[in-house]
Amino acid sequence: GQNIDQPTEMTATEGAIVQINCTYQTSGFNGLFWYQQHAGEAPTFLSYNVLDGLEEKGRFSSFLSRSKGYSYLLLKELQMKDSASYLCAVSMNTNAGKSTFGDGTTLTVKP
Amino acid sequence: GAVVSQHPSRVICKSGTSVKIECRSLDFQATTMFWYRQFPKKSLMLMATSNEGSKATYEQGVEKDKFLINHASLTLSTLTVTSAHPEDSSFYICSARSGGEYEQYFGPGTRLTVT
Repeated sequence: GQNIDQPTEMTATEGAIVQINCTYQTSGFNGLFWYQQHAGEAPTFLSYNVLDGLEEKGRFSSFLSRSKGYSYLLLKELQMKDSASYLCAVSMNTNAGKSTFGDGTTLTVKP
Repeated sequence: GAVVSQHPSRVICKSGTSVKIECRSLDFQATTMFWYRQFPKKSLMLMATSNEGSKATYEQGVEKDKFLINHASLTLSTLTVTSAHPEDSSFYICSARSGGEYEQYFGPGTRLTVT
């Protein structure tokens, strides 16, 4: 089975940096996604990590350690619009390549 | 590019009726489409995976006779909620993936309310 854990809620201040962690225990791991989802909308793709290490993309960076079953999403220079739910999802190496999602972390950015 | 649409965006139906939700990939061929259900303040729960021209693969606990999935073409998949009940009220989201790619492109979702 798949087990994905991430904090339920986080709060941070505008302009600050926040790190959202995700741990997973899964069979057939292929890679790990991070998505952003605003209330009532569909998820939007942020990153996909397959290899260990940090990948930076603008204000957002994502890290993966396959041996530790651990990932984090780092958001820098927080803006109010970054208030959203952040979903960690594990991609399986099956033919369908389906993904299993964590319950998401609701981030609230305060002025 | 990589746009996925869903129709309708919102639907209200009476208990016992059936509702069809369409998912279309507008500018690419989707060899695989996924159907998810999302409860308030919860993450996406995968219901089924469908490949064009073949039967859908349902996740454990999802009733295939209640949630009928058809993936008749490389750009269209449909989810029919049969004999809907209030507990079927939810946000249903589809995603589409092109063969060989890892990224799923999500549709905007359909809010189903069963009264």
